[in-house]
Amino acid sequence: DVKVTQSSRYLVKRTGEKVFLECVQDMDHENMFWYRQDPGLGLRLIYFSYDVKMKEKGDIPEGYSVSREKKERFSLILESASTNQTSMYLCASGPGEKLFFGSGTQLSVL
Amino acid sequence: GQNIDQPTEMTATEGAIVQINCTYQTSGFNGLFWYQQHAGEAPTFLSYNVLDGLEEKGRFSSFLSRSKGYSYLLLKELQMKDSASYLCAVRDEGSYIPTFGRGTSLIVHP
Repeated sequence: DVKVTQSSRYLVKRTGEKVFLECVQDMDHENMFWYRQDPGLGLRLIYFSYDVKMKEKGDIPEGYSVSREKKERFSLILESASTNQTSMYLCASGPGEKLFFGSGTQLSVL
Repeated sequence: GQNIDQPTEMTATEGAIVQINCTYQTSGFNGLFWYQQHAGEAPTFLSYNVLDGLEEKGRFSSFLSRSKGYSYLLLKELQMKDSASYLCAVRDEGSYIPTFGRGTSLIVHP
């Protein structure tokens, strides 16, 4: 079975902190994604990567950056966390026809 | 980009049939996806339609009409465990990236 692993299930951070969310997939997928999910707003794309060191901005990239140094790992970075970044963060990977999601990180910024 | 519309919430009775509709507007089309998401869990892939018609997979079927910008997910013989959010997602022509609708929360009651 394909496995997409996110490093933390729950995370609490303070405003202004630098936050790293890690995602690892074990199926050699080229495409990896970071979404955030908020009630009533659905899944919104933050960043997308189609290869090592390659990235594209999604719909809401402001306040975020990403890193993909190895094919299996895609990291989301909040340079200076703010309260409006409190959300569920979902990582996904997959070929064109299907995405596999990690179990998510519920981030609370206080 | 796309404009994806699906009902916010639906209720149905155990054993019944329910149809969840999804309409979309896109400049070019490269596939429509349905995902299921139980509360507190990651979305899981249900179906992928790129050609017109009905795709059946057990109790679940998905229909696509590209000319009408319309899809539905049909769930038969509803079970309590089908209570979940159902996410419709559309991919633009030439893109790897699915854009998600806001999801339909389905409540199945006895």
